[in-house]
Amino acid sequence: AQKVTQAQTEISVVEKEDVTLDCVYETRDTTYYLFWYKQPPSGELVFLIRRNSFDEQNEISGRYSWNFQKSTSSFNFTITASQVVDSAVYFCALSEIQGAQKLVFGQGTRLTINP
Amino acid sequence: GAVVSQHPSRVICKSGTSVKIECRSLDFQATTMFWYRQFPKQSLMLMATSNEGSKATYEQGVEKDKFLINHASLTLSTLTVTSAHPEDSSFYICSARRDSYTDTQYFGPGTRLTVL
Repeated sequence: AQKVTQAQTEISVVEKEDVTLDCVYETRDTTYYLFWYKQPPSGELVFLIRRNSFDEQNEISGRYSWNFQKSTSSFNFTITASQVVDSAVYFCALSEIQGAQKLVFGQGTRLTINP
Repeated sequence: GAVVSQHPSRVICKSGTSVKIECRSLDFQATTMFWYRQFPKQSLMLMATSNEGSKATYEQGVEKDKFLINHASLTLSTLTVTSAHPEDSSFYICSARRDSYTDTQYFGPGTRLTVL
């Protein structure tokens, strides 16, 4: 069975600090996708990244970066120089590559950036 | 591109009534659509997967007769909550995927259901 664990329920930092959101996953599949989504107070899910398990290269997109470590089954997300607009709930998710590609979500991390 | 809409965005109904939620892919054809449920301050839980023209596949623990899903066209899926009760109050989110296993799911904005 697939499982995603986000151990940090809530994180609160002051603006401009760097913050890392942890994600650990379990799967028996040898190939899979990993995702991060942002859910602002409006409720709509905002897609941030999809990573194929073949590709262990870290990725950077502006202030966002992702660290994929297959050896530890982790896919951590770092926001550099955080801003108030980054305040949201962030979900890590996992899906199979073949078949229905059903998404399994972690419990989410509520991030609050204080001015 | 890849926009998914949901209607209504918010609905309040009395206990015992049925509520229909629509999910539309506006600029692409969605072979597969997914329905999720999210309780306050909790994660998204997949309810069912539907493919156009066939019966939906429900996740374990989801009542098929309670949550009727119809995926009649490549751009529309509906979720009907039958005989709704207060415990059905939740945020319902749909997603849609094009006919490609390399494609990702595109999420709708969600529908907040409150049953009085």
